[in-house]
Amino acid sequence: GQQLNQSPQSMFIQEGEDVSMNCTSSSIFNTWLWYKQDPGEGPVLLIALYKAGELTSNGRLTAQFGITRKDSFLNISASIPSDVGIYFCAGQTPGNTGKLIFGQGTTLQVKP
Amino acid sequence: DAGITQSPRHKVTETGTPVTLRCHQTENHRYMYWYRQDPGHGLRLIHYSYGVKDTDKGEVSDGYSVSRSKTEDFLLTLESATSSQTSVYFCAISRAGGPGYEQFFGPGTRLTVL
Repeated sequence: GQQLNQSPQSMFIQEGEDVSMNCTSSSIFNTWLWYKQDPGEGPVLLIALYKAGELTSNGRLTAQFGITRKDSFLNISASIPSDVGIYFCAGQTPGNTGKLIFGQGTTLQVKP
Repeated sequence: DAGITQSPRHKVTETGTPVTLRCHQTENHRYMYWYRQDPGHGLRLIHYSYGVKDTDKGEVSDGYSVSRSKTEDFLLTLESATSSQTSVYFCAISRAGGPGYEQFFGPGTRLTVL
């Protein structure tokens, strides 16, 4: 089936550092979404992207919809301890209305 | 807050017993989904619904059935639970007609099958 390759799998960084993670696929996507999951909770939507080349920010978070429609990245600037969690990318492919494919997740740990 | 509740939040059961998980939404959304989350696998779609009594299978549907008799409730049933179904189960909803069908998740149910 269709897959999203999300990298890195995990990151351990110092507070104040910038973070970058990405998702790639061999398929094209109509939509890219980025979620964050805190321990013991459900994923929470951070950013949604709808057009190739689109760059969207949400506070210290910035995400881009790749121009080829096969990738997306998420950047977090000036990380803080509460950024700790698992970040997931998700995408919707043409012809799969209403269904998302999820990446495996990037686990972020921030050292104060 | 997308108005999604899941019950129970935690359940321990024995192999071979039937189990039903409930997802309830308060905002009348058309699409509802059941996922399971396991280490190393991310979120995998079990079943989804695009309206009352309209359901379809996801990528890991074997051993699961669903029902949706009312807009607000989506039930996931394990007819005869197995240890491989030990997982965290998430319900999600999506507003039809949006450009990207963004999904919003409930708090999850942690199921342990002994």
